[in-house]
Amino acid sequence: SYVLTQPPSVSVAPGETARITCVGDNIGIKSVHWYQQKPGQAPVLVICYDTDRPSGIPERFSGSNSGNTATLTISRVEAGDEADYSCQVWDSNSDHPVVFGGGTKLTVL
Amino acid sequence: QITLKESGPTLVKPTQTLTLTCSLSGFSVSTSGVGVGWIRQPPGKALEWLALIYWDDDKRYSPSLKSRLTITKDTYRNQVVLTMTNMDPVDTATYYCAHRPLDGYLFDYWGQGTLVTVSS
Repeated sequence: SYVLTQPPSVSVAPGETARITCVGDNIGIKSVHWYQQKPGQAPVLVICYDTDRPSGIPERFSGSNSGNTATLTISRVEAGDEADYSCQVWDSNSDHPVVFGGGTKLTVL
Repeated sequence: QITLKESGPTLVKPTQTLTLTCSLSGFSVSTSGVGVGWIRQPPGKALEWLALIYWDDDKRYSPSLKSRLTITKDTYRNQVVLTMTNMDPVDTATYYCAHRPLDGYLFDYWGQGTLVTVSS
């Protein structure tokens, strides 16, 4: 089945820009979605279809996807952004249609 | 307003069968294009997709767990049920159900999750 690889952790100072990558074979032709998960809470969709922000998600969150790498970018990072972030793709033609990445812990220094 | 809520046992013994119920509100499990998925997360580990059921009763399972999983829907109660047989301590996890929107390829609403511990 399809594999998505994320770095285990990313650290950034408040006010800086955080970039979290999601690597997959030719991921650029797939739609990538990103979820934020804070301790003890359910995942929350923060980016869908590579670049779209659901209602209520700050403009500081953005996404891109090309080649073998999709990226979640968080600008002007705040302490409240500290969370785990997971990417996800959907392959309707696969016997394993829903795939999640391993998750990245974002630490705000 | 779409909400989902998982319910079921918090503790099961090894070899037992787990039955989890996802109660839906704000949408119907029979609405064309809609799906409901189950995803789990062992403590400190990544999200793992388990199963998905579509409005038309089409079903998909994780290949690695397919032999142990059954997903069904109850249109009258507006619920989705997941059963997992032969539970093992490695199945200890928080189990989530989530809404897959019309023609969407993501999960836009999630339940709060329920922690299931497998232990004798």
